[in-house]
Amino acid sequence: AQSVTQLGSHVSVSEGALVLLRCNYSSSVPPYLFWYVQYPNQGLQLLLKYTSAATLVKGINGFEAEFKKSETSFHLTKPSAHMSDAAEYFCAVSDSPSYGKLTFGQGTILTVHP
Amino acid sequence: DTEVTQTPKHLVMGMTNKKSLKCEQHMGHRAMYWYKQKAKKPPELMFVYSYEKLSINESVPSRFSPECPNSSLLNLHLHALQPEDSALYLCASSQDQRGSYNEQFFGPGTRLTVL
Repeated sequence: AQSVTQLGSHVSVSEGALVLLRCNYSSSVPPYLFWYVQYPNQGLQLLLKYTSAATLVKGINGFEAEFKKSETSFHLTKPSAHMSDAAEYFCAVSDSPSYGKLTFGQGTILTVHP
Repeated sequence: DTEVTQTPKHLVMGMTNKKSLKCEQHMGHRAMYWYKQKAKKPPELMFVYSYEKLSINESVPSRFSPECPNSSLLNLHLHALQPEDSALYLCASSQDQRGSYNEQFFGPGTRLTVL
């Protein structure tokens, strides 16, 4: 079964600083990878997805992620953090193209300090 | 319309009650999903409906009963729940269950408390 590991359950940055949230995946086949954001007491919103078209994926709200097969990583970055970025972020992998199951990492809570 | 709606937003029920959660989407998606999310945990898949047929049941207890009356609606019927079933129940939909179309759109969730 495929899985993802998010390194760091909590990440704290200052406003304007670089945001880096780490995600490593385990897969025996080319994966479909996703980053979702969840604000308190809300559902999940898709930030971006990797489906093999391009290794550098740009998403909403200035976020981007780079797929690195050699490192089995799909880290999420944003050049300059904003207070509104404070939320929980989940990396997810599609179990297989035909199965449709999303398997989520444990999540990383991002705190942004003024 | 790119929204998945869920009702009710909050639900409190006793262990002998019967209640239902409702999910609706009007994006023409043919796959719909129920997830359960406990506090400080990631969502866990419960059920998948593809073209209105149950495609995946992740060994969910029978006190949870899903129903897909049509391509836009998904219900989750609840009966004889336990306090440990208290969680945020999320509904999602995607264009298709397969491949790159598996981009899932989530609703805001129903916060369920079982007393």
